[in-house]
This record gives sequence, structure tokens and C-alpha cells, in this order.
Amino acid sequence: GAVVSQHPSWVICKSGTSVKIECRSLDFQATTMFWYRQFPKQSLMLMATSNEGSKATYEQGVEKDKFLINHASLTLSTLTVTSAHPEDSSFYICSARGTGGYNSPLHFGNGTRLTVT
Amino acid sequence: GNSVTQMEGPVTLSEEAFLTINCTYTATGYPSLFWYVQYPGEGLQLLLKATKADDKGSNKGFEATYRKETTSFHLEKGSVQVSDSAVYFCALRESETSGSRLTFGEGTQLTVNP
Repeated sequence: GAVVSQHPSWVICKSGTSVKIECRSLDFQATTMFWYRQFPKQSLMLMATSNEGSKATYEQGVEKDKFLINHASLTLSTLTVTSAHPEDSSFYICSARGTGGYNSPLHFGNGTRLTVT
Repeated sequence: GNSVTQMEGPVTLSEEAFLTINCTYTATGYPSLFWYVQYPGEGLQLLLKATKADDKGSNKGFEATYRKETTSFHLEKGSVQVSDSAVYFCALRESETSGSRLTFGEGTQLTVNP
């Protein structure tokens, strides 16, 4: 089946540094990718939607200058947390939708645990 | 706005017990409803879905019925196995105009003991 690879699975960084998280669709072309954030014992919150070749659409309250999303190809999207702070520590999950349109299934990555010290 | 409320976990059951995980939703339109499962160390996988009222989604012995009158989509399984231990997420997708964006519940951790 379709596989989405998310890397790294966990990362620890110091406050003030930037961290990049990659999300790759391994065996299909992902026209749309979604980035979620999950706090402990809370639901997944959609941060942004990115379509290949265009700017990401951010959800209300998500700082686009802090969470930079790039979707430069049909198989790769990246989320960069810039100038990370401890409150950015969270679990980040990407999902990807193939080229079949609205009803195409979503495939999720395994998530990235970010800890900012 | 849309929201999904799930039964609070964690839930611990013995093997072969009956499982129910409650899920209710709030939506302005006519959403599609989903259950996703996340096994330890893995990403979310679609477990089942229903796209309109009274539809029943089923997979791997799990089932859920779309109840518009009670705005619910409770997950059930008649006899759970140890391998069902995972986190279960209820989710909705409101309309075609929303693309594939999903609104998730909080997730319910299920542990099945032998």
C-alpha cells in the first residue's frame, strides 16, 4: 500500500535553533499534504495544507513565519520550525493525498516528536 | 465550527471482551465520518468510514454506524484481541469544498490484555 515516510521520528534541539521535518510519499504522487500537531492527550490539530508548487494555506492561529512549509515536488513536503522554543515541543504528523482528488485516501506518516530544550 | 468528541481513555479490556468507543460530532453540513487507528510506532491508518446517514462502516471486525439523529459514530467490536491495542481516532470531513482536511477527536488508547 501507499507509504508516507516522515523523518526524523524524534528530534531534540536547543531553544532558538531551527528544525526541519521531512514528509515523503514513497510510492505515489502527493498533490496535497497536510501538517498536524498533536499535544499530549489531545486531538490532531491541522496546522496547514500544502499543494505542490504553491504556497501553503495556514490555519487560523498558526504562525506562517514560524512554521515554514515547502512542497516543492509531488513526493516531498517539509516543515521547518524556526527559532524553536520549548512551547513548540509537540508531536508533528504529516499526511498526504494522492492525485485522485477529494476522495483519495489520506496516508499518514509516523510522526515526529520534537523536544525543544 | 466542526468538532469531534471521543470517549475518554485509556480503555483496558481483556481479550474477547466487547468494545465500544463513543464518538459524537458537531458539524454544520453533512460530513463523512472516519475511524483511524494508530498502532504503536506507526502512523495513522484508516480503519473504516461512512459517508452518509445510516451507513455502516466495517473492517477487521470493527463497525460503526453513522447516526445523524444522535450525531454519533460509535466504534464497536464484539471480541477484541491483544493485537487491537492501539490508539483510535474518530474524525470527520465536512464537505468537498474542505478538501480532505479532517477534524479529529482526542484519540482513545485501547489496551487489550491476554
